[in-house]
Amino acid sequence: DGGITQSPKYLFRKEGQNVTLSCEQNLNHDAMYWYRQDPGQGLRLIYYSQIVNDFQKGDIAEGYSVSREKKESFPLTVTSAQKNPTAFYLCASSTPLKADTQYFGPGTRLTVL
Amino acid sequence: QKEVEQNSRPLSVPEGAIASLNCTYSDRGSQSFFWYRQYSGKSPELIMSIYSNGDKEDGRFTAQLNKASQYVSLLIRDSQPSDSATYLCAALFESNFGNEKLTFGTGTRLTIIP
Repeated sequence: DGGITQSPKYLFRKEGQNVTLSCEQNLNHDAMYWYRQDPGQGLRLIYYSQIVNDFQKGDIAEGYSVSREKKESFPLTVTSAQKNPTAFYLCASSTPLKADTQYFGPGTRLTVL
Repeated sequence: QKEVEQNSRPLSVPEGAIASLNCTYSDRGSQSFFWYRQYSGKSPELIMSIYSNGDKEDGRFTAQLNKASQYVSLLIRDSQPSDSATYLCAALFESNFGNEKLTFGTGTRLTIIP
C-alpha cells in the first residue's frame, strides 16, 4: 500500500526532553511537510522540504528541528526549547514542484507531562 | 500576512439538507484552493480542489470559487451523518522564498442531525 506513516501514534514527553517524531512515505513524493494542530485550530506549518538534504522553516519553526537525508523520510525533533509542544503533529507529502494536493499521515499526538 | 478565514461557529444541518461552508482568503494572487475533511482525532483528507472561477462538482460536493470577492465555498447536498466532521479550507500562497505553501483556515465543525 502506498501512503504516509507516522510513529508513534501517541507520545508522552517530560519537560526538558527532546523527542523525535517519525514520518515515512512510499509515494515517491519529493516534497514533505510538518504541521502542528492545536485544539480548534487550523494547521500551522513548522518545516518543509522540497528535496533531499534541503529544508526551509515554516511559520512556527522555533523549538523544532528536521532532517531530510532520504527522500522517504522526514523526521521532526521537538526540542526542549519548544515552550508549548503539546499538540497534534501531522506530516504530509506532495508531488514535485508544487505544494498542490498534499497527502497526510495519520498524525502523532504529543503530550508533555 | 496571507490568511484564510473560516467561520469558526459550528454548523448543524438536518440529514438530507444542503450544508454550506464558506471561506475567504487575503491574497488576491492565489490560484489554488482546497477543501479538506477532518474527522475527530484523524488527519485531514482532501475532498475538493478548485482553480478556476465558478463551480466544480464531484458527487454530492460542489466547490465554488469567486476570485473577485476572494471567496470559496463548499456545498454538500443530501447531507449524511457521515459528513459530520470539521472542514478545513486551504489556499496555496507564494512564500517569502518564492515557493508555494498551503495556508489553512481554522475549520468549521459540521454536524448532520439525523
